[in-house]
Formats: sequence, structure tokens, C-alpha cells
Amino acid sequence: QKEVEQDPGPLSVPEGAIVSLNCTYSNSAFQYFMWYRQYSRKGPELLMYTYSSGNKEDGRFTAQVDKSSKYISLFIRDSQPSDSATYLCAMSAGNAGNMLTFGGGTRLMVKP
Amino acid sequence: EAGVAQSPRYKIIEKRQSVAFWCNPISGHATLYWYQQILGQGPKLLIQFQNNGVVDDSQLPKDRFSAERLKGVDSTLKIQPAKLEDSAVYLCASSLTPQATGELFFGEGSRLTVL
Repeated sequence: QKEVEQDPGPLSVPEGAIVSLNCTYSNSAFQYFMWYRQYSRKGPELLMYTYSSGNKEDGRFTAQVDKSSKYISLFIRDSQPSDSATYLCAMSAGNAGNMLTFGGGTRLMVKP
Repeated sequence: EAGVAQSPRYKIIEKRQSVAFWCNPISGHATLYWYQQILGQGPKLLIQFQNNGVVDDSQLPKDRFSAERLKGVDSTLKIQPAKLEDSAVYLCASSLTPQATGELFFGEGSRLTVL
């Protein structure tokens, strides 16, 4: 069993839809949770960062963490074609070093 | 602000040949990482440097992979000899701090195909 699981997709939605992306994890020591966006043939870029449980909102994006269920989510409201990318969840226990464990990524396609 | 620079962007080699990738991090970033991203998978950390010292290289296949960061700035990742399963994108990233709360800035990657 992988430490971080993520549905690979692809997930295809029409423009304007609400998108829900999810990850589950097994390591209860994880405390820092991130979402990275990766466009084709580019490096990942940090989209959202959350510490411990709770919600965080940034524009059209909302990140949720439920540590009791070991489940994190990223919601995208009013999705745009420019949101088409692979979304990677990443997490860390926060001990020495910045050693992130990434999920395999979910490929999202937003159709105009 | 200039981003993380990597070269070459693409490399095709035969198995058992050697290859080297170069990375120049964002100016002032003390922490540098090399990740391997196989097609359809998330990035996997190979090695982490803090300045010119190694913080973690537990997942680096040391029989064939080596990395150095002389003078605490640029870094080179070498594979010798390459195997078919080394075909992947090699991503370099840097961060201002080594802590988990720090944002990682990734380069565009070096795509390796081993035939």
C-alpha cells in the first residue's frame, strides 16, 4: 500500500463546474499538507498549503484536511480551461528536512 | 526573480551509458532537492542538500546515481550506468529553508529516455 493514494483520473468536467480532488494517506505523523499543480512538461508549483486539520480558502480554491480520516481534499469553484493540469497532493511530518511525500497526481481536464 | 534552471531539457541515451543533469537553484536558496518523476507518478525524492551538505539520500540508488553540490549553489546529478527503468523526468527544486513549511520551487525538469 502506498503511503499517499490519489486517483489518477483523468477527470473531465465542463467549464464552470465545481471540482473535487482527493487524497488519502496512511502515515498519522503527517502534519503539513500541500497541493501542487503541474502543467504538461512543466515542474510542479505550489497551489495551497495547510497545517494540521481544517479548511483554507484562496480565491476559487479551497483545501480541506481531515486528519481523523486521513483524507485531504482540494475544491476548485468555477473551473476554467486554464485549470487543466495534473494536481499532486504532498505531505510531510514536519521533522528535520523538507521531505515531502507526493501522491501520484490526478489529471484534470476542464472543457470549454 | 529567476526560477530554478535545469539542463538539458531532454536526453536520450542507450542503456549502460552515462548522463549528467545540471541545476542552478534560485539565488539565496540554501536547500536543493533532486526528485525523480516516472510517467504517471508523483515525484520521489532522491537527494536533499542543505548548502553543500547532504541531508537525505536514503532513496538514491548509490550504485549508479551520484550527486554533488559544490560551493553550495549549482548541483549535478549523474547516472552511470543507466538502466531502462531510469527513464523519467528529473526535477530539481530549491527552497529558502529546509523546513516542511517552506515552499519548494521546481525547475521544468530534465526528461531522460533510456533505450
